Amino acid sequence: EVQLVESGGGLVKPGGSLRLSCAASGFTFSSYSMNWVRQAPGKGLEWVSSISSSSSYIYYADSVKGRFTISRDNAKNSLYLLMNSLRAEDTAVYYCARTAWGATEYFDYWGQGTLVTVSS
Amino acid sequence: QSALTQPASVSGSPGQSITISCTGTSSDVGGYNYVSWYQQHPGKAPKLMIYDVNKRPSGVSNRFSGSKSGNTASLTISGLQAEDEADYYCCSYAGSSTYVFGTGTKVTVL
Repeated sequence: EVQLVESGGGLVKPGGSLRLSCAASGFTFSSYSMNWVRQAPGKGLEWVSSISSSSSYIYYADSVKGRFTISRDNAKNSLYLLMNSLRAEDTAVYYCARTAWGATEYFDYWGQGTLVTVSS
Repeated sequence: QSALTQPASVSGSPGQSITISCTGTSSDVGGYNYVSWYQQHPGKAPKLMIYDVNKRPSGVSNRFSGSKSGNTASLTISGLQAEDEADYYCCSYAGSSTYVFGTGTKVTVL
């Protein structure tokens, strides 16, 4: 069974940093591209970042470019998101999501999310 | 990277059919056959309902169907049931491994 479990969320002050983790199991993690998607309270979904299976290709939404860094450790079946210079508008539930295998582009499995609150 | 446009809410009676639209541009919806739809119940993670415009994952009811015309994609739910009451989001590939989601639609079963 595919499982994605996020952790690392919490309360952080504006300008602060936080590192999110996503532990993957039930599939060959090193074969899949992975993503972070966030959802501000009461708002819609927003794609944040993606990383290819071997970390060769990394992309960010304009809203986080230069502040967030996505990475992965295939030996540990883990995905990470380092968030720096956090702002109030970064407050959201952050989901880890797997990009489906093959010549397609969609997210077939999602974690339950971890809440990040940026507030003084 | 502007969000795709969806109606804020759509409602229908049990047994009826409803359609949710998702309007983008030629750089996203119109440029790729990679539109997907997600259902989200309150406090839960999104669940994939449709991918590649009109394909249904295993386990998803055939009451859910998708289509696309030009820059607008649509999700149709037929035979509406109480359990279909949720938020629905479209998502389109936008090139270079980037994605854009829709604004979301709250479906209410009357």
